[in-house]
Amino acid sequence: QQPVQSPQAVILREGEDAVINCSSSKALYSVHWYRQKHGEAPVFLMILLKGGEQKGHEKISASFNEKKQQSSLYLTASQLSYSGTYFCGQTSGNTPLVFGKGTRLSVIA
Amino acid sequence: DTGVSQDPRHKITKRGQNVTFRCDPISEHNRLYWYRQTLGQGPEFLTYFQNEAQLEKSRLLSDRFSAERPKGSFSTLEIQRTEQGDSAMYLCASSLTGFHVHFGEGSWLTVV
Repeated sequence: QQPVQSPQAVILREGEDAVINCSSSKALYSVHWYRQKHGEAPVFLMILLKGGEQKGHEKISASFNEKKQQSSLYLTASQLSYSGTYFCGQTSGNTPLVFGKGTRLSVIA
Repeated sequence: DTGVSQDPRHKITKRGQNVTFRCDPISEHNRLYWYRQTLGQGPEFLTYFQNEAQLEKSRLLSDRFSAERPKGSFSTLEIQRTEQGDSAMYLCASSLTGFHVHFGEGSWLTVV
């Protein structure tokens, strides 16, 4: 069962912040976040393991609440290069990643 | 560190023909995955290998699809008797024990 992402799409001006949510109906072991630009392969951003951890990479960070079966990706002070489609992928242990339908992010000048 | 490579990158084929895609994973990675992605959708899991063993196949994988990883290194995905609904990007990915999954650039298939 695939995770549900929200919003489906968002438009930001440079410098604005955004939050992308990913929720699941199944108990999760880990959540993986990827960004994909049009016509390219998904690029790994970060992985979060159960334990409620948070991670960050420059101005992109994420949290994972395994009790609520939710993860959120935070993009702060967005840049034009952040544009793309963001996917969360989930595993429930030793299983292959199952991806959501994606959130399309457009950053405009 | 060479990434995951896929070949061919683009393939146009006539309906009913067979096509084969090849994937070379990152050399030390023991897991190899195949996904399919259509426009506006996330990658859909097809199958995966741990070393040479095919551990799981999705219900999406009809009998016309077959995947192999003969020596636990490269993998092939063959689609027999292609249909227009098979048009998609086929993504290969690899990982070491399931963490940090690296994707290849994908193989675009167009069935005409």
